[in-house]
Amino acid sequence: KQEVTQIPAALSVPEGENLVLNCSFTDSAIYNLQWFRQDPGKGLTSLLLIQSSQREQTSGRLNASLDKSSGRSTLYIAASQPGDSATYLCAVMGFQKLVFGTGTRLLVSP
Amino acid sequence: NAGVTQTPKFRILKIGQSMTLQCTQDMNHNYMYWYRQDPGMGLKLIYYSVGAGITDKGEVPNGYNVSRSTTEDFPLRLELAAPSQTSVYFCASSYPGQGHNEQFFGPGTRLTVL
Repeated sequence: KQEVTQIPAALSVPEGENLVLNCSFTDSAIYNLQWFRQDPGKGLTSLLLIQSSQREQTSGRLNASLDKSSGRSTLYIAASQPGDSATYLCAVMGFQKLVFGTGTRLLVSP
Repeated sequence: NAGVTQTPKFRILKIGQSMTLQCTQDMNHNYMYWYRQDPGMGLKLIYYSVGAGITDKGEVPNGYNVSRSTTEDFPLRLELAAPSQTSVYFCASSYPGQGHNEQFFGPGTRLTVL
């Protein structure tokens, strides 16, 4: 059974810092990995999707990497801003199903 | 496109009551999903559908039922509400014929069972 773990559970940083969120998964037989952002009381916004054959994806200040063999992904956020404050969820796609981690709650203070 | 829409946004039920959570997508996606998210937790898959007339159980299907009579709609039915079903429910869909691709989520329905 696939299990997805995200570390740390919470992170507080001052504005402008570069930061890394970690995601690990137990079964390397995945089709893709997605990073989502969730604001309090809101739905999920897809940030990046990495196919199993890819090593990384970039969108603006966000960069996500995938090492399938070791069961790890990282989300790198450059020059963090208060507007980045949210919960970040990692999810891996197995056969027809996404399995989610419990998220990292990020607070970026001005 | 409106994307994935869900109704209602909020609902309070009494124990034993029934209700249907509505989900509609206008992107012609074949794959649709229902998840629940408990406080401080990730999302867990309840049911999913790979096309009209086809549904399958996810990780936590007990206490729920679904149907998929059209490509656009995927309602989730709670027959006898229990306090353990207090949660936020999200519907999602993904690209036609490619269940391995990006999933798009609705805004969620916050359900409280008292």
